[in-house]
Amino acid sequence: AQSVAQPEDQVNVAEGNPLTVKCTYSVSGNPYLFWYVQYPNRGLQFLLKYITGDNLVKGSYGFEAEFNKSQTSFHLKKPSALVSDSALYFCAVSPFGVGNTGKLIFGQGTTLQVKP
Amino acid sequence: DADVTQTPRNRITKTGKRIMLECSQTKGHDRMYWYRQDPGLGLQLIYYSFDVKDINKGEISDGYSVSRQAQAKFSLSLESAIPNQTALYFCATRMDRVNGYTFGSGTRLTVV
Repeated sequence: AQSVAQPEDQVNVAEGNPLTVKCTYSVSGNPYLFWYVQYPNRGLQFLLKYITGDNLVKGSYGFEAEFNKSQTSFHLKKPSALVSDSALYFCAVSPFGVGNTGKLIFGQGTTLQVKP
Repeated sequence: DADVTQTPRNRITKTGKRIMLECSQTKGHDRMYWYRQDPGLGLQLIYYSFDVKDINKGEISDGYSVSRQAQAKFSLSLESAIPNQTALYFCATRMDRVNGYTFGSGTRLTVV
């Protein structure tokens, strides 16, 4: 079955330190990969995506993500965390191939807590 | 105005009642989706539509129905609400596979 895993329910980091939010996937073919952020009482906002090309993609708010095909991972990173980065983060995959419907498959979400 | 608008933002309803959640978009996208979000479960797909005449069930469609009234409007109905349908519901649109979703702000539904 196609799936996305975010192995950490919560990530805690001190402000100014680098952060990583992990994501691995299990889908056939060459999927497109996305990260979304959700602030309290808000909808999901697009952060960045990987379609093809350079394995390191840059997105909004200083976030970046590294695609690793051999490890089927797409970890979200930021060199220096801010308290305002505290939110719920979702990794999502768009599988490719016959029968795929254009839907996104989401991970369970990871809560990022950045402490001053 | 928001690109994807969901109404109502919050709703409390009683078990057994019929309720409709509405979604409208100004993006001009053909693809529209309904998801529910539960803590620790991420987002689960309820229904999706590629155009007015193309409606498809998602992973958890039981107890739900949808109507695509126009390209811009996609409504989700709970025919007879039950407490375990208490959740945050999101509508989303998508232009194509290269682009991700544009989400509405969500509807928080509580069934008592």
